[in-house]
Amino acid sequence: QVQLQQSGPGLVKPSQTLSLTCAISGDSVSSNSATWNWIRLSPSRGLEWLGRTYYRSKWYNNYAVSMKSRLTIKPDTSKNQFSLQLNSVTPEDTAVYYCARRFGLTTSEYLDVWGQGTAVTVSS
Amino acid sequence: DIVMTQTPLSLSVTPGQPASISCKSSQSLVHVDGNTYFYWYLQRPGQSPQLLIYEVSSRFSGVSDRFSGSGSGTDFTLKISRVEAEDVGVYYCMQGVDLPLTFGGGTKVEIK
Repeated sequence: QVQLQQSGPGLVKPSQTLSLTCAISGDSVSSNSATWNWIRLSPSRGLEWLGRTYYRSKWYNNYAVSMKSRLTIKPDTSKNQFSLQLNSVTPEDTAVYYCARRFGLTTSEYLDVWGQGTAVTVSS
Repeated sequence: DIVMTQTPLSLSVTPGQPASISCKSSQSLVHVDGNTYFYWYLQRPGQSPQLLIYEVSSRFSGVSDRFSGSGSGTDFTLKISRVEAEDVGVYYCMQGVDLPLTFGGGTKVEIK
């Protein structure tokens, strides 16, 4: 059974960097059948996909255009986890952050496993 | 970006009665591979979203057969045949045909 366990702070000061980690059990961050995503939920924006990392013979990343200049998603194969780093945060980045696996077979593909969520508040 | 529009915003349903949620996308969700990458999720209070339906009408593992999905192209529907107390939460539609993945605004379902 695949599980994702998130860790990271719940409070970040404006202009600082938000760092979250998602530890994977039951699957590999290097899997050729999965992508590893970060999504957030806020009252103002709803559910918002932020970006992903995945391995297909080499590592790839994709980011939401609105986040591209501030966001880095990185795999850590030694710990079988992936991370989110969001620079220069503002109160608008206050949200519940989720990591999620998008699993793909030859015939189907879906976001099927989610982390427990981390409520992040950006405030001084 | 593909815009997903859900209706209604909220539903209050008597237990045992049916419920229906609609979702419309701003462009076709049919991929060149022939699949339609459209999904329904339920977020119960205090929990993470969970997958109910994938690719329009396929129920995910363990999902009750009271849930069914239908639709094509840009118009999709989730039906709950007989609402139960455990169905309370916010339902989201999502498209996965193109990046960024985008979600509907959510439909809050409560029990009368």
